[in-house]
Amino acid sequence: SYELTQPSSVSVSPGQTARITCSGDVLAKTYARWFQQKPGQAPVLVIYKDSERPSGIPERFSGSSSGTTVTLTISGAQVEDEADYYCYSAADNNLGVFGGGTKLTVL
Amino acid sequence: QVQLVQSGAEVKKPGASVKVSCKASGYTFTDYYIHWVRQAPGHGLEWMGWINPNSGGTTYAQKFQGRVTMTRDTSISTAYMDLSSLRSDDTAVYYCRVVVIELDYWGQGTLVTVSS
Repeated sequence: SYELTQPSSVSVSPGQTARITCSGDVLAKTYARWFQQKPGQAPVLVIYKDSERPSGIPERFSGSSSGTTVTLTISGAQVEDEADYYCYSAADNNLGVFGGGTKLTVL
Repeated sequence: QVQLVQSGAEVKKPGASVKVSCKASGYTFTDYYIHWVRQAPGHGLEWMGWINPNSGGTTYAQKFQGRVTMTRDTSISTAYMDLSSLRSDDTAVYYCRVVVIELDYWGQGTLVTVSS
């Protein structure tokens, strides 16, 4: 089976840089996506194809990839960025998998 | 604009089945796979499977094989997810999701509660 591993929590002060990692063998062969989810809301795409940012997503959100690890970076994190973040990828036959999620605290 | 609208909340007894619908608009329904994802209370996102609305072909996560059936009705641009033999740990919000030209769109979610 395919697995993606994320830290359960990350904490930063406002204005600092937050980095959330996601690791898994499948990431060496396929692109990753990152979703932001706030309580009671559906997930929102913040990064696709490892590092592409959809329109409307602030520039402080960026993504990178190296081998079997992808990283979501929030440069100058703001209080409103506090949320759960999930990485996602799909294997060769389009079997999807989410990481376990990372709770980002900004305070 | 792309929109996915799901059916309303359901309460089911253990052993029953539930069918959740997802009506798509704003794009050509048969051009893009519909995925189903669930989230149990206080837990993370869990990918369940997808359906190809053009062919009706499906792929399911191993965990749900034998219990889940994904179908579609192209005449009304609607996808369905049927989960049978419900257990209390199937209590979750169920989402449909579509990726259109690399961008993700999600339904509003449907809460399914399994309780005796």
